[in-house]
Amino acid sequence: EPEVTQTPSHQVTQMGQEVILRCVPISNHLYFYWYRQILGQKVEFLVSFYNNEISEKSEIFDDQFSVERPDGSNFTLKIRSTKLEDSAMYFCASSDYRGLAGVEQFFGPGTRLTVL
Amino acid sequence: AQKITQTQPGMFVQEKEAVTLDCTYDTSDPSYGLFWYKQPSSGEMIFLIYQGSYDQQNATEGRYSLNFQKARKSANLVISASQLGDSAMYFCAMREGETGNTPLVFGKGTRLSVIA
Repeated sequence: EPEVTQTPSHQVTQMGQEVILRCVPISNHLYFYWYRQILGQKVEFLVSFYNNEISEKSEIFDDQFSVERPDGSNFTLKIRSTKLEDSAMYFCASSDYRGLAGVEQFFGPGTRLTVL
Repeated sequence: AQKITQTQPGMFVQEKEAVTLDCTYDTSDPSYGLFWYKQPSSGEMIFLIYQGSYDQQNATEGRYSLNFQKARKSANLVISASQLGDSAMYFCAMREGETGNTPLVFGKGTRLSVIA
């Protein structure tokens, strides 16, 4: 069964460093998303991406964040200068287009980012 | 205002018994979808069940069913014949709008513990 994959599974970085989180969505999907979950809290939407551009972004997704689909398979989230409060689990998700609100978003296993 | 409210931070259930996890939602959009995800201790997000706002019947998927009461804006998850492997965090989520590309909004989750 096709699945969303994410690398690395765990990333430890120093405050102020840049990190890139990588995702490979399901191959025939058209919509891509990043969510984050601070430890013990709910999952929060960051950004959605369609047709090589951002569709929607939340207040969390400020100038420190960027997304890119550098080739036909990868979807990346970059944090330019990490802060302690960026420590969280980051989930990538993808969905295909069926024109219905019920289309499922398939989540990857997540990348746990720890900022020291 | 919270769009998704899960009022039970934690629940206990005896193995083989049924359990109901509560979820209420808030939207003025006539088209929306409601989702339940399971998050075991390993951290991944597992899709369980979906209910559309126009669906006439309650959704069912194996041991999972969704008690959808539209007038009350509630979408409770019912797990029948609980198993030890059901112990996890459970998140209710909603997507608003006609198309399937809008982001999911999650509740704070309910931690379910199944007791042998």
